[in-house]
Amino acid sequence: GAGVSQSPRYKVTKRGQDVALRCDPISGHVSLYWYRQALGQGPEFLTYFNYEAQQDKSGLPNDRFSAERPEGSISTLTIQRTEQRDSAMYRCASSAASYGTQYFGPGTRLLVL
Amino acid sequence: QQQVKQSPQSLIVQKGGISIINCAYENTAFDYFPWYQQFPGKGPALLIAIRPDVSEKKEGRFTISFNKSAKQFSLHIMDSQPGDSATYFCAASPTSGGNQFYFGTGTSLTVIP
Repeated sequence: GAGVSQSPRYKVTKRGQDVALRCDPISGHVSLYWYRQALGQGPEFLTYFNYEAQQDKSGLPNDRFSAERPEGSISTLTIQRTEQRDSAMYRCASSAASYGTQYFGPGTRLLVL
Repeated sequence: QQQVKQSPQSLIVQKGGISIINCAYENTAFDYFPWYQQFPGKGPALLIAIRPDVSEKKEGRFTISFNKSAKQFSLHIMDSQPGDSATYFCAASPTSGGNQFYFGTGTSLTVIP
């Protein structure tokens, strides 16, 4: 079956612009997670959802970052007024239950100029 | 701060040798410890995982050793092969308090023929 998909795969934007990153989890997966991965580092937790409810957003760096999953499936991570320090790989993962194995998507590489 | 500490940062092993990667954590709420393998340009993929009720788990050439009192766990790759060359991340999760993963900084493994 299809895995986790993310779009766009690459995004180049100018400082100050807003960006929206999309994650399409594995069908039927209850939980969805957002991570940010800097080059040469492990993924850093941002936020996660069970169904449509955002359970934990403690990893979001500041209030420019927000995420939603309105129908409990596709999720969007939005970064407002982007800054150069936001440049990173943004990864989405999903799990069948609210615990256990997380399956990662290919990521969106964001470059803020 | 880094919730999971991983070492070494890089590792070079001869084909057929044993690769050992170590991780340590502080948060006693962590109760799920997966290892992920990541190839260049790909997302992390689950390799093997353990819960603290056992001290060792083996799957093929991959073994996790877990020391609950020391709050340490390690990945052993037996009979290492060039195809094992990848970046390995340990992670920890407090599944009863949410399933967000806290990743180590990664180990770049190179297996030379």
